[in-house]
Amino acid sequence: EPEVTQTPSHQVTQMGQEVILRCVPISNHLYFYWYRQILGQKVEFLVSFYNNEISEKSEIFDDQFSVERPDGSNFTLKIRSTKLEDSAMYFCASSEAQGSPYYGYTFGSGTRLTVV
Amino acid sequence: TQLLEQSPQFLSIQEGENLTVYCNSSSVFSSLQWYRQEPGEGPVLLVTVVTGGEVKKLKRLTFQFGDARKDSSLHITAAQPGDTGLYLCAGVQGGFKTIFGAGTRLFVKA
Repeated sequence: EPEVTQTPSHQVTQMGQEVILRCVPISNHLYFYWYRQILGQKVEFLVSFYNNEISEKSEIFDDQFSVERPDGSNFTLKIRSTKLEDSAMYFCASSEAQGSPYYGYTFGSGTRLTVV
Repeated sequence: TQLLEQSPQFLSIQEGENLTVYCNSSSVFSSLQWYRQEPGEGPVLLVTVVTGGEVKKLKRLTFQFGDARKDSSLHITAAQPGDTGLYLCAGVQGGFKTIFGAGTRLFVKA
């Protein structure tokens, strides 16, 4: 079964450093998303991406965050200067059609980011 | 702020019992999804409901979308230890953003 692949599975970084989280969405999917989940809390929407541009973003997704689809397969989330509160599980997801009743969101297994 | 409230937050039952998990909001959603999440893993989609009043069945799981498309329920018949996990509801409001509930953590004892 097709899956969303995320790397690395765990990343530890020093506060103030830049990190890039990588995702390979399912190949025929058109919509891409990043979510995060702070330990013990809700899954929170960060950003959606379609047709090579951001289609929607949350208040969490400030100027420190950026997303890119550098080639036909990868989808990346960059955090420019990490803070302690950025420590969370970051999930990439993709969907064939946004909001369609016939398609859901496929999530990757996540990258656990620890900022020290 | 759109909120999805799930209840109960935690449920511990014996194998063979039935249970219902609720997902409520004051907002209308174009579709609502149920996911199951294992520790350290991403949410896995169980079902999407779209039409008000819609009922979908997935083996022993029955999902219902409220008539006004503001609430949903998940009913599990004859729960098994393999059903143990975190069940999340998530609402889509026609945009690109999906709002997640905090989840119901289910533990089924053998």
